[in-house]
Amino acid sequence: AQKVTQAQTEISVVEKEDVTLDCVYETRDTTYYLFWYKQPPSGELVFLIRRNSFDEQNEISGRYSWNFQKSTSSFNFTITASQVVDSAVYFCALTLLLNAGNMLTFGGGTRLMVKP
Amino acid sequence: DAGITQSPRYKITETGRQVTLMCHQTWSHSYMFWYRQDLGHGLRLIYYSAAADITDKGEVPDGYVVSRSKTENFPLTLESATRSQTSVYFCATRLGTGSTEAFFGQGTRLTVV
Repeated sequence: AQKVTQAQTEISVVEKEDVTLDCVYETRDTTYYLFWYKQPPSGELVFLIRRNSFDEQNEISGRYSWNFQKSTSSFNFTITASQVVDSAVYFCALTLLLNAGNMLTFGGGTRLMVKP
Repeated sequence: DAGITQSPRYKITETGRQVTLMCHQTWSHSYMFWYRQDLGHGLRLIYYSAAADITDKGEVPDGYVVSRSKTENFPLTLESATRSQTSVYFCATRLGTGSTEAFFGQGTRLTVV
């Protein structure tokens, strides 16, 4: 069975600091997808990124960047120059492309608090 | 054209009562899912459905019942609510086999007192 671990349960930073959220996953499958979701205080889940297991290129989107390393089974998320609006719970998730239902396995989440 | 609608958004119920959480989608996606969100556990899968009249258990199905008589609806019933079922419940859909993108509802916050 697959597993996703987000060891950091809570992180607090001051605005404009850079912050990295860690995600480590376990799966025996070679074909899988990794995701990051943001859950702001309003409660909805906001999709941020999807990365397949064959694409180890790092991705940058504005202040967000993701570092996917298969060698360490990690998919870390960095926010550069954090802002108060980045305060949220962030979830890393994994899905196996060919599993029944393609359901997502989530990590426990990291609560990020950005203070002004 | 809301995509996924969950109702109610908030619910307080008493221990032992039956309560049903509704999930409705407008896309005709094949797969539908119910997750519960608890502190420290992230989201855990309760049940999922691959199509109308096809359902299967997820990681934490005990105490829950689902049905899917129509493609667009996937209600989740707590037959006899317990305090441990106090949680935020999310419904999600996925287009079909091979599709990786999941779409989530707004969530239902259920409190069992």
